[in-house]
Amino acid sequence: EAGVVQSPRYKIIEKKQPVAFWCNPISGHNTLYWYLQNLGQGPELLIRYENEEAVDDSQLPKDRFSAERLKGVDSTLKIQPAELGDSAVYLCASSLGVMGVSDTQYFGPGTRLTVL
Amino acid sequence: AQSVTQLGSHVSVSEGALVLLRCNYSSSVPPYLFWYVQYPNQGLQLLLKYTTGATLVKGINGFEAEFKKSETSFHLTKPSAHMSDAAEYFCAVSEGSYNTDKLIFGTGTRLQVFP
Repeated sequence: EAGVVQSPRYKIIEKKQPVAFWCNPISGHNTLYWYLQNLGQGPELLIRYENEEAVDDSQLPKDRFSAERLKGVDSTLKIQPAELGDSAVYLCASSLGVMGVSDTQYFGPGTRLTVL
Repeated sequence: AQSVTQLGSHVSVSEGALVLLRCNYSSSVPPYLFWYVQYPNQGLQLLLKYTTGATLVKGINGFEAEFKKSETSFHLTKPSAHMSDAAEYFCAVSEGSYNTDKLIFGTGTRLQVFP
């Protein structure tokens, strides 16, 4: 089966410009996650969706970051305007989302953002 | 709140030697624990996970980990390292009652394997 798909894989922009990342989860996965991975660090959750509902966005900097998951499938993460400190890898993951049952988060390859 | 500490940001071993990557966790509830591997320019791949039951967990590529509640540890081992094991390894704990909840990751350990 196809894994989590993310695009673009790499993005270079100048500060203050907008940028968007796209994620297509594994078919049938209800839960979708966006993580931020800074260089030399482990991933940190930005937002988690159960179907189309954002159930945990407490770590999402809402002044410049936004996300959506229309129709509960694909998701887009946007930054506007981008700052130098936003340079990082943005990872998308998905899981079946069946509570109480052994489940696994599957990660995409990530989008590496460089802000100049 | 849950947290994860990975001792040693870099570990180097010779091919064929034992691999030991250390992970200690802090959790106020019975934890779900995970090890992920990340190869360069790739996403994270699950190696193994502990939810309930047997405390010795076997994963892919010959790796295993043992959950020790008394030591709050979940160290990752492999009896004999292979060159292809060179990668970044992340230990994680699930925050919450379900393993689909938010994962709290450690800072990672980079494994180098020398011929």
